[in-house]
Amino acid sequence: AQKVTQAQTEISVVEKEDVTLDCVYETRDTTYYLFWYKQPPSGELVFLIRRNSFDEQNEISGRYSWNFQKSTSSFNFTITASQVVDSAVYFCALTPINNNDMRFGAGTRLTVKP
Amino acid sequence: AAGVIQSPRHLIKEKRETATLKCYPIPRHDTVYWYQQGPGQDPQFLISFYEKMQSDKGSIPDRFSAQQFSDYHSELNMSSLELGDSALYFCASSLRVLNYGYTFGSGTRLTVV
Repeated sequence: AQKVTQAQTEISVVEKEDVTLDCVYETRDTTYYLFWYKQPPSGELVFLIRRNSFDEQNEISGRYSWNFQKSTSSFNFTITASQVVDSAVYFCALTPINNNDMRFGAGTRLTVKP
Repeated sequence: AAGVIQSPRHLIKEKRETATLKCYPIPRHDTVYWYQQGPGQDPQFLISFYEKMQSDKGSIPDRFSAQQFSDYHSELNMSSLELGDSALYFCASSLRVLNYGYTFGSGTRLTVV
């Protein structure tokens, strides 16, 4: 069974603050993919990153960075110097490499205030 | 770049009616997925197709059916609609061999009244 937990339901920060969104997962699969998606108020799901279970290298993309810790089954997402446009619901998701059943976490609603 | 196209964007139906949602994947993508996202909920996997054959099945009600056609577009058919079917329905596509994440469409917002 797979499960993704995003314990933070809502986070509110002031512009330029750094913010970390937590994601903890459970899976019996030894190989899997982890994802982060952004869902802005307009409703679409925007792909942010995919991480393979066998690649624990952290990644940075502009103001975004991801910390994958297999030992703690966590895949946290940090936004540095947050901006109002970062306001959205962020979903962490997991799928085994050998099937298509992507499981999403409940999402974290991030509000960045000016 | 071409994205996943879903139509219609919004749909209002009455209880017990039928609805058909369409999805046009990114060209050359061979896999299509359908997700249902209820108000304030995370997306739930319904069903997927690979090369026009059903690939995986999730929490899709028996009242729903889907298929993928020869041109790779997919349709989700929903019958005997219930109020609880009101949701955002996402289609996503991917190229299975790469599996570099799914590209989602903008969704169809179905409201059952």
